[in-house]
Parts: sequence; C-alpha cells; structure tokens
Amino acid sequence: DIVMTQSPDSLAVSLGERATINCKSSQSVLHSSNNNNYFAWYQQKPGQSPKLLINWASTRESGVPDRFSGSGSGTDFTLTISSLQAEDVAVYYCQQYYSTPRTFGQGTKVEI
Amino acid sequence: EVQLLESGGGLVQPGGSLRLSCAASGFTFISNAMSWVRQAPGRGLEWVSGISGSGDSTYYADSVKGRFTISRDNSKNTLYLQMNSLRAEDAAVYYCAKVPSEAWNDAPRAFDSWGQGTLVTVSS
Repeated sequence: DIVMTQSPDSLAVSLGERATINCKSSQSVLHSSNNNNYFAWYQQKPGQSPKLLINWASTRESGVPDRFSGSGSGTDFTLTISSLQAEDVAVYYCQQYYSTPRTFGQGTKVEI
Repeated sequence: EVQLLESGGGLVQPGGSLRLSCAASGFTFISNAMSWVRQAPGRGLEWVSGISGSGDSTYYADSVKGRFTISRDNSKNTLYLQMNSLRAEDAAVYYCAKVPSEAWNDAPRAFDSWGQGTLVTVSS
C-alpha cells in the first residue's frame, strides 16, 4: 500500500498570509505512460463532507479560488494557500489514486 | 447538480449487520465508478471500497475484506454497502463518493463529489 504522510499536522496562519502543506508518498504516483501524477488534495470544513480541491497534483477543480495551488511530482507534493481567508479554516487531506487501496494522508488542520 | 444522499446508518451491536445506501442523482450513474470512504470520530479519511460503473469489478480495503460487500443497482441509481460482522473499529461516518470515470483501475480518478455521510455506531 502507498503510505501518504502530511506535514505539519496543524498550522496557524494569519489572515492574508501564506499557508503551505506538504505531502509525501511512500512510492511514486507519477505514471510514466502519460506523465500524470495520480494525486489529489481535499478540503474538509468543520461539520462538512470533503471537497475535491485539486487533482492531477496541480489542476484546480472548477470554482476553486486561485489562491489554492498544488505543485510537486513523483513522491513530494505541496498545497499552497497564497493568502489565507477565514473561510479556508479546514482540514486538508492529500490522496493518491495511483493504486488500490486508495490512501489518504492523516490530514493537516489549518487555523487562523 | 450532482447529489449523493446516504442512508441506513445507525446503532448496531458488535457482530451485527447494517446496509448503507447512497441515492445518486444529477449525473449518468452507470458511467461512474463509485466508492465508500469512512471517517471515525475525530479521525482522518479511510477508503473502504470501490466499484466500477457496471458493477462487475469491486475493490476493498484489507480492514473490511470478507465482511463488507459493495454493490450497485444502476436501474435505481443507488450504491450499497452491506456490512456484516461489525466491530467497534468500524464506527464512523460513511461517505459515498463519485469517481468521474466508469472504470476503477483502467482510468483512476480522484473523488469529485461526496455525500453528506451517514453515521454508523457499533456498541453493545
């Protein structure tokens, strides 16, 4: 199974400041046949179900603000919130969909 | 608009059974693989099971293999999870999630829509 490890477990960021979350996979999720990273970021706000923010490591879903960006390839990935807003308070999860079982990171709690 | 509505959760004794349902609307159900993901209270997300659009292929986490069965009725646009031999560690909110491809392994995709979840409590 591919193990996903996020860091940090939690972080507090001032409004308008940058938040950076890292995720490392135990093996590469880059598919050599198409050069795609089978990697996603989800946001789960308090009391809500998860929401897909970014897939293919760097492609924002429709409607996701452009202050959210994803980067990385292979085994190391980053989610950046360029200017934190109050509505961004949430737990963020990374996930690989390269293989079954699909696996998630343990989550990173972002607070103001 | 995609809607996924889970039901069937509740309180069950250890060793008991429960069947969860997920009613889907707003998309062509048979064209999408589906999945169940659970979240224990205060914990992270854990993938449980997946199924192809046709229902021919099913996949399970080791933690539930042999006890849980995923299925779908494409005529009713409904996904199911039959849970047997339930344990305390199965207690969680169970979410159904949509995969934007028919196949599970041939065209892997992230989970692009999630339901609101249904709570399963396992206790005597």
